[in-house]
Amino acid sequence: GAGVSQSPSNKVTEKGKDVELRCDPISGHTALYWYRQSLGQGLEFLIYFQGNSAPDKSGLPSDRFSAERTGGSVSTLTIQRTQQEDSAVYLCASSFRRTNTGELFFGEGSRLTVL
Amino acid sequence: AQRVTQPEKLLSVFKGAPVELKCNYSYSGSPELFWYVQYSRQRLQLLLRHISRESIKGFTADLNKGETSFHLKKPFAQEEDSAMYYCALSDRGSTLGRLYFGRGTQLTVWP
Repeated sequence: GAGVSQSPSNKVTEKGKDVELRCDPISGHTALYWYRQSLGQGLEFLIYFQGNSAPDKSGLPSDRFSAERTGGSVSTLTIQRTQQEDSAVYLCASSFRRTNTGELFFGEGSRLTVL
Repeated sequence: AQRVTQPEKLLSVFKGAPVELKCNYSYSGSPELFWYVQYSRQRLQLLLRHISRESIKGFTADLNKGETSFHLKKPFAQEEDSAMYYCALSDRGSTLGRLYFGRGTQLTVWP
């Protein structure tokens, strides 16, 4: 596809359930990022991938959060035992190079609502 | 630690008025600064970067290292400028490539 693709676009789940969010970056982009966008909180960095490895996981808020990337392409963000405070829009972005030129290409996001 | 501060959560101006969205940063290395914009129902996208010294959609931003600021300015705001604006910083020398975002400023331009 032409841009970063994320699925699902909307997810409503019950507290305590696990969720998986998927990101399909732009073809050829080696760097992939997950951010969380909460009302009034701006963009919170979660994790960064270069290829399949994650040199920076410092933003993951707890051990309930994990992410993987396979084949240097698709990434999955998994939230286990979801809590209401996990409700947010989860944004994925990709870029061509590791050293940051600053242009991240963002997906439309996955809106997660935890009831 | 890297910090990006956008002191205004909300900013409203009338069409044709000048607008300035403030951004201050705290970083001891060699920062690279950017402005990203998110229009209603659209993706977050890059607006401009300081290294390019460009004007995009009439917006400019000058990096002031003395004041550690990177304010976004436009002399005559238009209704279509209404959007959420994020200031972002990266470490040019870092191999991690991570962007640090401010909390954003919601700009509303009234007709």
